[in-house]
Amino acid sequence: QVQLVESGGGLVKPGGSLRLSCVASGFTFSDYSMSWIRQAPGKGLEWISYFSSTGNNVYYVDSVKGRFTISRDNAKDSLYLQMNSLRVEDTAVYYCVRGGMIADGIFGRWGQGTLVTVSS
Amino acid sequence: DIVMTQSPATLSVSPGERPTLSCRASQSLSGNLAWYQQKPGQAPRLLIYGASTRATGIPARFSGSGSGTEFTLTISSLQSEDFAVYFCQQYNKWPPTFGQGTKVEI
Repeated sequence: QVQLVESGGGLVKPGGSLRLSCVASGFTFSDYSMSWIRQAPGKGLEWISYFSSTGNNVYYVDSVKGRFTISRDNAKDSLYLQMNSLRVEDTAVYYCVRGGMIADGIFGRWGQGTLVTVSS
Repeated sequence: DIVMTQSPATLSVSPGERPTLSCRASQSLSGNLAWYQQKPGQAPRLLIYGASTRATGIPARFSGSGSGTEFTLTISSLQSEDFAVYFCQQYNKWPPTFGQGTKVEI
């Protein structure tokens, strides 16, 4: 069955860095776009980054542009999020999410999430 | 960015009732709207896409409707496992954006 397993979260000081990883299984990873979506504690959902299946398109929400970098390794069925210059407001559960075949913005499969806490 | 507004914020219902959740977009979505269910401590789960198409494995008691800027999610007969937070999300234009959620509680 489809599985997305995130790792790499943890406690980091403001200004620090973290690299999140997501390993996919149960489907042909290279056929799908992938996104990262986050959820601050007790808050709603915020899409933050997208990587197309073809590798031709990468998008970011304005609040993370220049600080976060999304990448993927289709040979390893893996998605990554390099997060630099972290801020307190980046504290959230980060979900690795698969886009849909009909539309990239239909988020049909989610990982269990990894918690990133930015605090001094 | 397209702003999604859900109402009400909280809906108090009893099992067997028929709750209706609303979602409004700041501009027309051409039907490119999805609904998700999230239970405490879990990741969201896709319920509906294309405003009215149920995702694989979603029970028939969940139905979506609407067009343009006004959309609705209805649960025909609420089961105990349906108590959760429900989010709408537009994918008509990037970036995809979510509503703030409606909590369905007892």
